[in-house]
Order: sequence, then structure tokens, then C-alpha cells
Amino acid sequence: AQRVTQPEKLLSVFKGAPVELKCNYSYSGSPELFWYVQYSRQRLQLLLRHISRESIKGFTADLNKGETSFHLKKPFAQEEDSAMYYCALHTGGFKTIFGAGTRLFVKA
Amino acid sequence: DAGVTQSPTHLIKTRGQHVTLRCSPISGHKSVSWYQQVLGQGPQFIFQYYEKEERGRGNFPDRFSARQFPNYSSELNVNALLLGDSALYLCASSQPASRGTYEQYFGPGTRLTVT
Repeated sequence: AQRVTQPEKLLSVFKGAPVELKCNYSYSGSPELFWYVQYSRQRLQLLLRHISRESIKGFTADLNKGETSFHLKKPFAQEEDSAMYYCALHTGGFKTIFGAGTRLFVKA
Repeated sequence: DAGVTQSPTHLIKTRGQHVTLRCSPISGHKSVSWYQQVLGQGPQFIFQYYEKEERGRGNFPDRFSARQFPNYSSELNVNALLLGDSALYLCASSQPASRGTYEQYFGPGTRLTVT
């Protein structure tokens, strides 16, 4: 079965603390994985994609095929990082499966 | 470019009625995808259209249908509405892309309430 699991609905950290948003996937093919973010009163938007191996707004995510994970990390959280984060799996060119999302709250 | 636009912003329908939701993609984008987002969940894939043809379909009943027009805009139709169809319906447009570089641009959504 094709599935994306984000085990935490809510993650609350203090400003300056490290952040890790967990994502696990189930897919028999070669996965294309993404993180999307939705800030308050804004549209859902792409944050980063695994193939780019890029750092966006200080966030990075590494695809671990052995553990079927694609966790999102940032060493020092900022208040402006507070948002809803969705992990997504793109399959077969035509379908994207989203996780249930994790709400990140960064406290001052 | 205003980005992906959707109409209406929100609407209220009664059980058994039908509804049509509309989406205009970013200029130059030929692919449109539709998602249903129920409160507390992530977006669930309904359809993808590319060059006016259905390319993918999620696990939704036949009451859900869609089409794409020559200008690449799209409509999502839902017949015989049920209370469980109440959700935010998102539209996303995209360009053909090489593996791993696929990026979807989302609209603001249409909030459908079925009473």
C-alpha cells in the first residue's frame, strides 16, 4: 500500500531549539518525496524536494530508503517557522499522497 | 500572474444536490490536480488532468468527476452530495517535470459545506 505517515499532529519547541518533523512512507517503487508547508492564512506551498538535497529556510530532509523515512530537520527553530507541515509522496507521475500533517509551534 | 485561482471561495449545499467547483491554473501550466482536504487531515488526491485527459484518479466514488478545458482550466463536479463531502477542495497546477523536480502550485481552495 502507498502511504505517508506523520506520527506527530503537534510539535511544540522553543525558539532556538532543534526541530525534527518525522515522515515515514510506504511505496514499492522508487519514491519522490517532498515537504510542503502552509503558513497561517497562506496557501500550501512546496518547501523542499528530496532530489534537490537543498536547504530551504534552514530546513533539510534526507531520504533514508532503509528506514523508509524523510524527516525534516532544522538546527535552530525560529518563530516564523510556526506552520503546518505536510510530507508528500509522488507516485507514478500522476498522484501525490500527503501525510496528515504536523503543526509546528515555535515558542518565544 | 495571480497564481492558481479557484471559485467560489465557499458554498453551502444540501444533501443530494450537485456542485461544480472551478480552477484556473497558472499561465502556461497544462496539468491540474484536485484534492479533498477534510478537517484535520492532509489533502487526498482526487484527479489529475493533463492536456485535457485524465491521467490519474484517487479512491473516490463515481459521484466525483472532472474535466479540463482547452484553456487548461478545470471543473470538479460532485453529484448526490453527502454530508461527508464537506471539505476544503484544493486545486493545484503544475508543469511536466523531470523526475523528482515535480512541483505543484496550490490555489486557496473552495470550502464546501453540505447540510
